[in-house]
Amino acid sequence: AQSVTQPDIHITVSEGASLELRCNYSYGATPYLFWYVQSPGQGLQLLLKYFSGDTLVQGIKGFEAEFKRSQSSFNLRKPSVHWSDAAEYFCAASSGGSYIPTFGRGTSLIVHP
Amino acid sequence: EAQVTQNPRYLITVTGKKLTVTCSQNMNHEYMSWYRQDPGLGLRQIYYSMNVEVTDKGDVPEGYKVSRKEKRNFPLILESPSPNQTSLYFCASSLNPRKETQYFGPGTRLLVL
Repeated sequence: AQSVTQPDIHITVSEGASLELRCNYSYGATPYLFWYVQSPGQGLQLLLKYFSGDTLVQGIKGFEAEFKRSQSSFNLRKPSVHWSDAAEYFCAASSGGSYIPTFGRGTSLIVHP
Repeated sequence: EAQVTQNPRYLITVTGKKLTVTCSQNMNHEYMSWYRQDPGLGLRQIYYSMNVEVTDKGDVPEGYKVSRKEKRNFPLILESPSPNQTSLYFCASSLNPRKETQYFGPGTRLLVL
């Protein structure tokens, strides 16, 4: 079955440190991949998406993600985290056989000053 | 401004009292969807609609109804709410959910006593 896994429920980092949030997918073919962010009390906002081409994708707010076909992964990264990055992050995927995207369970990012 | 609006934002009700949560988008999107978000379970899709008068069940449709009489509106109806429907609800819309951004509303927090 198609699925999206975010292995980390919570991640804690210090402000200024680098960040990597993990996302693994299980699809027959390379899916369309998305990262969304949910700030406290708000709806989800798209950070970036990947369909094909360059495997390193740049998004908003200084985030980037790298698609690795061999690892079925689409990890989100940021070189230096700011306190305002504290939020819930969701990875999502869809494919030709599934018009509707599947969301991972989310990773909660905590930023220490 | 492109947006998805939901009303009400907060709602406290009692078991069995019918309620409707409205959702409206101003982007002329054909696709609209409802999700519920619960701690540890991430986002789960309730219902979605590919166009006017076309709706389909998501992963957790039990206890919910929807209608799509107009392109811009997609209300969520709980005909007999129960405490297990206490949750945070999000409406979303998209031109094409497979490959395009989903735009999310701000959320409706529902408490059923």
